[in-house]
Amino acid sequence: QKEVEQDPGPLSVPEGAIVSLNCTYSNSAFQYFMWYRQYSRKGPELLMYTYSSGNKEDGRFTAQVDKSSKYISLFIRDSQPSDSATYLCACTLGTGGFKTIFGAGTRLFVKA
Amino acid sequence: NAGVTQTPKFQVLKTGQSMTLQCAQDMNHNSMYWYRQDPGMGLRLIYYSASEGTTDKGEVPNGYNVSRLNKREFSLRLESAAPSQTSVYFCASTITLQVNTEAFFGQGTRLTVV
Repeated sequence: QKEVEQDPGPLSVPEGAIVSLNCTYSNSAFQYFMWYRQYSRKGPELLMYTYSSGNKEDGRFTAQVDKSSKYISLFIRDSQPSDSATYLCACTLGTGGFKTIFGAGTRLFVKA
Repeated sequence: NAGVTQTPKFQVLKTGQSMTLQCAQDMNHNSMYWYRQDPGMGLRLIYYSASEGTTDKGEVPNGYNVSRLNKREFSLRLESAAPSQTSVYFCASTITLQVNTEAFFGQGTRLTVV
């Protein structure tokens, strides 16, 4: 079993829809949670990161972490065609050495 | 403002050949990383360098070697390429090894081993 599971999709939505992207993880020692966006043939770029449980909002994007259920989410409001990309979640240990595990990524298509 | 630059962008190798992937960053970052990305597997860490002069194994180091040439450059070497090493390779850098620092990625090297 992978330490971080993510549905690969693809997920196709109409422009303006609310998008929900999710990951689950198995290692309770993970404390930092990140979302990266990766456009086709490009390297990933950091969208948001959160520490421990709770919500974090940045414009149209909201990241949510529920450590009790080991579940992390990224919500995109008013989705745009420019949001079409692969979204990767990543989980990192807080202490005990360097360890970041990425999910496989969910491919999102936003149709105009 | 180049960020992280990887060369080459594409490469085809025959089984058993060797090659070195180059990576350079111009952000004065201390820590650098090499990942591979395969369909359905996400990014997996091959090696990392916390600071100039140090390197450590990541999740999938077998078949690879690295060199932290200086603070800017971190190279990845395949001594005897195998078809299982067909992948997209990404170099990344962070200011430090601290877990909450943003990683900046290069554009990737698409490697095919036939």
